[in-house]
This record gives sequence, C-alpha cells and structure tokens, in this order.
Amino acid sequence: GESVGLHLPTLSVQEGDNSIINCAYSNSASDYFIWYKQESGKGPQFIIDIRSNMDKRQGQRVTVLLNKTVKHLSLQIAATQPGDSAVYFCAENGNEKLTFGTGTRLTIIP
Amino acid sequence: DTAVSQTPKYLVTQMGNDKSIKCEQNLGHDTMYWYKQDSKKFLKIMFSYNNKELIINETVPNRFSPKSPDKAHLNLHINSLELGDSAVYFCASSQGLVNQPQHFGDGTRLSIL
Repeated sequence: GESVGLHLPTLSVQEGDNSIINCAYSNSASDYFIWYKQESGKGPQFIIDIRSNMDKRQGQRVTVLLNKTVKHLSLQIAATQPGDSAVYFCAENGNEKLTFGTGTRLTIIP
Repeated sequence: DTAVSQTPKYLVTQMGNDKSIKCEQNLGHDTMYWYKQDSKKFLKIMFSYNNKELIINETVPNRFSPKSPDKAHLNLHINSLELGDSAVYFCASSQGLVNQPQHFGDGTRLSIL
C-alpha cells in the first residue's frame, strides 16, 4: 500500500485476478478522496472519487472503500488486465487542495 | 480535443536560464493548478488559481511565477533555473476549489544541464 518512504511500493498481480491497492491518509478533516491512474509519460487520470459521507462506491471494474475510523482508503480492480499496469495514487482533499499519496506501481503478470 | 494541454512536452536547458511552460484547458473550469512531480513520482501542488486569482502558493521559491491571463490559461515562468528544478511539471484544472476531480495535462519534463 501507499506510505511515506523512499521506494515506490509495487504490487504484482496475475492477469485476470483482482487487485487491491491500499492508502493511508493523514488529515481526519478531509472529506473528499480520489484515485488516479498514471501511465508512463502521461498525466494522472481520474478513476473514481468518494465523499466522506459514503464508505463504498463502485465504478466500471473498480470499487473504492473508505474507512474513516482508521483513515484508510482502498481501490479494488476486478479482473485485472494488462492495460491496468500503471502507478496508482490516492489523493485527499483538505484545506482547498489535493494531497497525493506516494503511489503504488501495479504490474500485471501475464 | 485535448482537455488540458501543456507546451512544451520536453524542455532541456542550462542552469541559470529563464523558461516558461504554457497550459490551456478547454473544459470551462474556473480553477487551475501547477504540480511538480519528482523522480520518485511524488506529486506536490505548487500553485492554484481560481478565476485568475492566486489561491495557493505552497512555499514555492519566488523564481517561479505563475500567470493567468484568463480562466482557461495558467502559465508558469521560472527564472534562474537550478539543478533541483529538474522534474515533471503538471498543469491541472477543476470546476471549483473543493471536492471536485482535477484533470491533468500530460506534463512537461524539465531537465537542467
């Protein structure tokens, strides 16, 4: 999962399996959270968002879970495909700005 | 029909030079941002502008001067470039300052020789 550290955390998943990427956020006052996907040479691309009055939100093949008690966010990707290979960032919205996590690199094993 | 576009995509220059990066969004958003991403992929906000007014300046050196001629444009001018300025700079936009997804450009890779 994402954390403050020197190395980009890596998650390797077999193609077709589900992926779960975790994120711990810091600001208990944050009320809006976003997951981004960043492919090589591209900017972060919006995947899904969730507001603090929800604990789960589903999109196409993706689900975001929010646990405000422990300040934890996760992104689940169903039936992971080669095109899902990227760096995934969580971001929290507090104080009128987005604070990004350090990112997790998702690698798909064929 | 690119939503947020930045130019140039690559910028290679010598220490001490002055350079500019341009950003335009065609999403009709009223808020624009500049972010810096370092070699470890850490993404940090530098500035945000709402309706052409500076909202956030995250202790960025005053060698960096953003300019917003209108709501659709936010350019970044950097004076006296230093080695530590090497990074990828991303422009983004959103509708409003809070609780809205930000849409990013594809970045400008700045390399200082």
